[in-house]
Amino acid sequence: EAGVAQSPRYKIIEKRQSVAFWCNPISGHATLYWYQQILGQGPKLLIQFQNNGVVDDSQLPKDRFSAERLKGVDSTLKIQPAKLEDSAVYLCASSLGLVGTGELFFGEGSRLTVL
Amino acid sequence: DAKTTQPPSMDCAEGRAANLPCNHSTISGNEYVYWYRQIHSQGPQYIIHGLKNNETNEMASLIITEDRKSSTLILPHATLRDTAVYYCIVQTGANNLFFGTGTRLTVIP
Repeated sequence: EAGVAQSPRYKIIEKRQSVAFWCNPISGHATLYWYQQILGQGPKLLIQFQNNGVVDDSQLPKDRFSAERLKGVDSTLKIQPAKLEDSAVYLCASSLGLVGTGELFFGEGSRLTVL
Repeated sequence: DAKTTQPPSMDCAEGRAANLPCNHSTISGNEYVYWYRQIHSQGPQYIIHGLKNNETNEMASLIITEDRKSSTLILPHATLRDTAVYYCIVQTGANNLFFGTGTRLTVIP
């Protein structure tokens, strides 16, 4: 079974530039999550989708971050403009249903460095 | 939001059982306890979860105290590949998992 796919694995940009990350969840998984993991910290939820609807985006800095999940499958996370403090690993995860109904499967992440 | 407290680091000899403690004294009655681990440069990996009863799978055992205020993850025979950061997580709200900073387990040859 294919896992959660993410790209790119690494990205280096200068502050004020924009960047986009792509995630393809496990086939059939209705729920998709984007997490931000800053070095030395645990992952922090940015946004959660159930099919193509947003369930929770309370921690998403909406002035610069946006995410979409068109057609309820793939998802993109965009940062525009990037700040130095956005340097982190961006993890995508998927699950069959909501938390409490099963495990989350994580991708390997996209590491962003903002100079 | 229910939070967890874990020791920042632990060592374990290879082949011995690794017992990782977690305190979650503010857990609510319908909140699950999850354990994930993260090996360097990889995404977190699910290990096990439980509500009230002890649970066991091919990776580990989860022991939850009767009052549910703490739990222990047991890796019965630790190997070098078990070196990772282990996160004890309590489900917060309807959908979120709050990861915290976890316990860095080092398995020593």
